[in-house]
Amino acid sequence: DAKTTQPPSMDCAEGRAANLPCNHSTISGNEYVYWYRQIHSQGPQYIIHGLKNNETNEMASLIITEDRKSSTLILPHATLRDTAVYYCIVLNFGNEKLTFGTGTRLTIIP
Amino acid sequence: GAVVSQHPSRVICKSGTSVKIECRSLDFQATTMFWYRQFPKQSLMLMATSNEGSKATYEQGVEKDKFLINHASLTLSTLTVTSAHPEDSSFYICSASDRVSNQPQHFGDGTRLSIL
Repeated sequence: DAKTTQPPSMDCAEGRAANLPCNHSTISGNEYVYWYRQIHSQGPQYIIHGLKNNETNEMASLIITEDRKSSTLILPHATLRDTAVYYCIVLNFGNEKLTFGTGTRLTIIP
Repeated sequence: GAVVSQHPSRVICKSGTSVKIECRSLDFQATTMFWYRQFPKQSLMLMATSNEGSKATYEQGVEKDKFLINHASLTLSTLTVTSAHPEDSSFYICSASDRVSNQPQHFGDGTRLSIL
């Protein structure tokens, strides 16, 4: 599975949109982009995933560039409860072994 | 949506004790479950893949005789840390996915194991 690169940390003001980038320049055609987050002392929580089209659900939006080499997770109106470590993972559909990198520690500032 | 339950949430016990952690898929059947370990300020590391009705597959460096995995039913996998020592103190997390409905993998809330 392709490796991903994320900034180690980011801050965002409460109520603003949080935009978390992820680079996956070696992604192959059948690999999906998954986003999970881990709030302190809890198990990871699934957020969203996509292949090449942009995706939106009740939690977030996922924007994937046309060449698929990078993506951005958008939390439209960040709240304090969105403070967590966010993991971007690239995975072949059907291969369930998630490999967690170091992620981005997002801190929402009041 | 898919729910994975893990029990207990916290264990504190003496060195040499064996500890069993349960992972249940509450509203779906999981032929495969995964066990992860997370040390403080580190990311999750996959320990093993638990397969219903067959032996678990362990990642390199994980001792299968130390970390016993049983997946006897489609909704339950257990991880037993045998003869636990202080260096086994960690946050243990399980996950599973409902392949029938094509759902992504969901995680339990983790078990914090502290060996004194």
